Amino acid sequence: DIQMTQSPSSLSASVGDRVTITCQASQDISNYLSWYQQKPGKAPKALIYDAANLETGVSSRFSGSGSGTDFTFTISSLQPEDFATYYCQQYDNLRPITFGGGTKVENK
Amino acid sequence: EVQLVESGGGLVQPGRSLRLSCTASGFTFGDYAMTWVRQAPGKGLEWVGFIGSKAYGGTTKYAASVKGRFSISRDDSESVAYLQINSLKTEDTAVYYCTRTVPYGSGSYGLWGQGTLVTVSS
Repeated sequence: DIQMTQSPSSLSASVGDRVTITCQASQDISNYLSWYQQKPGKAPKALIYDAANLETGVSSRFSGSGSGTDFTFTISSLQPEDFATYYCQQYDNLRPITFGGGTKVENK
Repeated sequence: EVQLVESGGGLVQPGRSLRLSCTASGFTFGDYAMTWVRQAPGKGLEWVGFIGSKAYGGTTKYAASVKGRFSISRDDSESVAYLQINSLKTEDTAVYYCTRTVPYGSGSYGLWGQGTLVTVSS
């Protein structure tokens, strides 16, 4: 299976900060990567698909980049509603789907 | 409204079986693969498996951790996907989510249900 190493596992930031999360795949997954946001007690919400494409209705302060094995997720200016846990997910067609371990974004 | 609603969770004894349902509305159910993802209390997301659309032969794939005990099926006439869980173990305790994805199964999950909690305990 493809391992997704997400870092950091948690971070503290303030409203207005730029936040960056990375995800590294153990094998080349091209751009088959999504990013999700999850708030406590809620289902995950898709933010980014195919590494860099914004889901419909998602704020442009969220962005994604990368291909192959190294990926980055960025919140350009953290808003109060962005405190949550974020997950990356790979969906390479030839391998079982796997998620990263998650990054909890907390209020500093 | 486009939505997925899971049901069937609850408290179950180890060794018993359980069938979860995922009822879809607001879209053409048969055009999509349906996937199950679970989340143990306080833990991350774990992919369980998917069933492809009929156009892709209704192919099923499962995570190694559940293969042989879990089975996914679908009824396109009723817009429902099922997750059959046999020989339940305490480590199956989790919130189970269903999601919708591309018809061949390997894609992003743009639509999620609210989840149903399965607690395995004696």
